[in-house]
Amino acid sequence: NAGVTQTPKFQVLKTGQSMTLQCAQDMNHEYMSWYRQDPGMGLRLIHYSVGAGITDQGEVPNGYNVSRSTTEDFPLRLLSAAPSQTSVYFCASSYATRGADTQYFGPGTRLTVL
Amino acid sequence: GNSVTQMEGPVTLSEEAFLTINCTYTATGYPSLFWYVQYPGEGLQLLLKATKADDKGSNKGFEATYRKETTSFHLEKGSVQVSDSAVYFCALSEDNAGNMLTFGGGTRLMVKP
Repeated sequence: NAGVTQTPKFQVLKTGQSMTLQCAQDMNHEYMSWYRQDPGMGLRLIHYSVGAGITDQGEVPNGYNVSRSTTEDFPLRLLSAAPSQTSVYFCASSYATRGADTQYFGPGTRLTVL
Repeated sequence: GNSVTQMEGPVTLSEEAFLTINCTYTATGYPSLFWYVQYPGEGLQLLLKATKADDKGSNKGFEATYRKETTSFHLEKGSVQVSDSAVYFCALSEDNAGNMLTFGGGTRLMVKP
């Protein structure tokens, strides 16, 4: 049971480049989400999904796209990277309907946009 | 909208000292409250939670009580250890499943031997 895995661990992009951050979980969780972590601001929700084929926006969705074709995977796409997207990105998953359930976080991807 | 405010760090303590990290929140409904911990180089882990007023969450010697009258959820531990050095995040969720978390800015705790 690997839990929540994220790749890559580190990435450096130039402004305007595109890339996909990968997230996978093997716990059969319905709910998956992406957060970004910036100094002094805690984590902010980017996008989330309550099941395959269903996605929705969080607090800071601009500049990011997501899709959920399988229960296990929830990739985050940056179509045209900007320096403001320099951050640490965390993927999380949980059971969607159990009360106040634990969110399981991946180890994070540190992204730098030059 | 919802918000969570935590005391700014870093908090530096000696081993076996008493710890308090303050957390207050603003929410439109009746949220569930959480403390998550992030050890160096790792993702966040749930430390404890409380789902209704006057509930006390506890784990690994840490405690926090859901105080609706003061909209607070302060984290306490009677005797900290070096291994408790980490960043602590207070968070709330207004959906029944504890998803869509709103986080505070985090408080870094450093415990010296």
